[in-house]
Amino acid sequence: QVQLQESGPGLVKPSETLSLTCTVSGDSINNYYWTWIRQPPGKGLEWIGFIYSSGSTNYNPSLKSRVTISIDTSKSQFSLKLSSVTAPDTAVYYCARQSVNSQKIDSWGQGTLVTVSS
Amino acid sequence: DIQMTQSPSSLSASVGDRVTITCRASQNIFSYLNWYQQKPGKAPKLLIYSTSSLQGGVPSRFSGSGSGTDFTLTISSLQPEDFATYYCQQSFSTPRTFGQGTKVEIK
Repeated sequence: QVQLQESGPGLVKPSETLSLTCTVSGDSINNYYWTWIRQPPGKGLEWIGFIYSSGSTNYNPSLKSRVTISIDTSKSQFSLKLSSVTAPDTAVYYCARQSVNSQKIDSWGQGTLVTVSS
Repeated sequence: DIQMTQSPSSLSASVGDRVTITCRASQNIFSYLNWYQQKPGKAPKLLIYSTSSLQGGVPSRFSGSGSGTDFTLTISSLQPEDFATYYCQQSFSTPRTFGQGTKVEIK
């Protein structure tokens, strides 16, 4: 049973960079798309992007200029960096696993709230 | 981007009711449609993938149908644990996009 756990600061100042890491346990990190999704308080889900275990990435064009997703397969971790944050970036950030064949997001981390405030 | 529109945005229903939620895509997504359930303070949980395939461990009262641009999630007999918000999501192209959600409340 795969498990995902987000970690990182819960408070980030405006204009700084949000950095989160997701640690994967219970299954191999290989041959999946590893995804970041966020949810502003009281709102819906927004797909940020994903990285394949080989390192290839795909980002949401609405965030592409500010987003970097990276992976460290030796540590079974992948990471999100979002630069130049502002208050609208305040959200619960989820890491998740997407299968290659069925394209389903079948496993999620518990989520971590990141607040952008001075 | 492909826009996903769910209806209704919310509904009130009683235990035992049959509930139907619809999801419309702004273009043909074939069968690349998934459904998730989210309870307050929790991560979404996959219910249905590829329009009609039931994820392992999900009760059989949940079912999905449709193709192209119009899709449906049906709960055949609503149970107390089913009160939650439901999201559709297209996996045909990137960026992946979600519907705005349908909140199922107790009548």
